[in-house]
Amino acid sequence: HPQLQESGPGLVKPSETLSLTCIVSGDSISSSGYYWGWIRQAPGKGLEWIGSISYSGSTYYSPSLKSRITISVDTSKNQFSLTLNSLTAADTAVYYCARHHYYFWSGYQNPVWFDPWGQGTLVTVSP
Amino acid sequence: DIVMTQSPDSLAVSLGERATINCNSSQSVLYSSNKKNYLAWYQQKPGQPLNLLIYWASTRKSGVPDRFRGSGSGADFTLTISSLQAEDVAVYYCQQYYSNSWTFGQGTKVEIK
Repeated sequence: HPQLQESGPGLVKPSETLSLTCIVSGDSISSSGYYWGWIRQAPGKGLEWIGSISYSGSTYYSPSLKSRITISVDTSKNQFSLTLNSLTAADTAVYYCARHHYYFWSGYQNPVWFDPWGQGTLVTVSP
Repeated sequence: DIVMTQSPDSLAVSLGERATINCNSSQSVLYSSNKKNYLAWYQQKPGQPLNLLIYWASTRKSGVPDRFRGSGSGADFTLTISSLQAEDVAVYYCQQYYSNSWTFGQGTKVEIK
């Protein structure tokens, strides 16, 4: 069972760019075939999926965030990353990374549920 | 996006009693060609990562106690904890994976009465 750990700054200024990394241990990003995802939870709010990436670099992005995010994978370091630009206070949240399982159906890998999750890292956007 | 709505937002149940959480999706998440419901349930205990409990609406993840039961089909689903234990105090979320814009319910907080 792999472990995932998010890392990044806890405080960023409005209009700046957030960079987060998820380090995966106990599983190989490049050989397992899974997708890897980012999800966030604003204070007092529900969970919001941000985006997911496969080991080969195929991505799915949330339509509402697509213009501001980039997700990349570094198989040599067994980690994947999230970049979110043009930050506002609304981006204040706990950011989680998770392994995004897939279901092979009709010739396609279809990402499905998330398991396991990282502990999450709080990012506050404030001047 | 498919909107997931849970009810209630919170509930308090006595130890050993049943807890029932509902999840409704704004459209059916039953895929007709394979007859599978594209729905998962998660548990989030304070200070801990989210934990997958159930997928395909009713399949328990290995190691999840059998007091957790998922049911329902189409757009209406239920997570039942048959006999609430102290360690079940948590927030529970449903999630659909029918569309490639994965969405979650707002969460249901379960407490001990």
